[in-house]
Amino acid sequence: GQNIDQPTEMTATEGAIVQINCTYQTSGFNGLFWYQQHAGEAPTFLSYNVLDGLEEKGRFSSFLSRSKGYSYLLLKELQMKDSASYLCAVKPGPDMRFGAGTRLTVKP
Amino acid sequence: DVKVTQSSRYLVKRTGEKVFLECVQDMDHENMFWYRQDPGLGLRLIYFSYDVKMKEKGDIPEGYSVSREKKERFSLILESASTNQTSMYLCASSLPRGGNQPQHFGDGTRLSIL
Repeated sequence: GQNIDQPTEMTATEGAIVQINCTYQTSGFNGLFWYQQHAGEAPTFLSYNVLDGLEEKGRFSSFLSRSKGYSYLLLKELQMKDSASYLCAVKPGPDMRFGAGTRLTVKP
Repeated sequence: DVKVTQSSRYLVKRTGEKVFLECVQDMDHENMFWYRQDPGLGLRLIYFSYDVKMKEKGDIPEGYSVSREKKERFSLILESASTNQTSMYLCASSLPRGGNQPQHFGDGTRLSIL
């Protein structure tokens, strides 16, 4: 089976740094994705990791450890517009499996 | 930009009806997917297709079927709608090459079964 876990909710302050963790156990591994989803909108692609290490993209970074089945998304210099759900997803094959999502609230 | 279009944003149907949800993508993507999204459960894969007339079951195919007659169109069919199929339905598409191709999502159809 496929199992992807992430915290349900997190709160952080504008300007701060927040780390959203994701652990996974899947039948295969062809990469790990992070998506952002604002309320009532479609998920949008943020980042992709297939090799161990850190991928940086502006204020957002994503880390992967395949041996530990672990990833995190790091958001720096938080802005109010970063309030959204963040979805961790793994490709075990040609398909993709998603975690339940982490709802992040950024407070002034 | 990739455009994935779902035919309806909101839909209300009655128990027992046959319901069709349509999805069209304009980027010549081989792979297409149907998910439902429910609070606390996240996105769950219903069916996916990696070619015309091909389909694969996801995690929760019961009560659903799909049709892929043309590359750009992937339809989800609720054979006999039930109230537990009230949900947000999301369609996505992607290229097949390599593992790093992200899925692109439509805006979703919020389906209510009364």
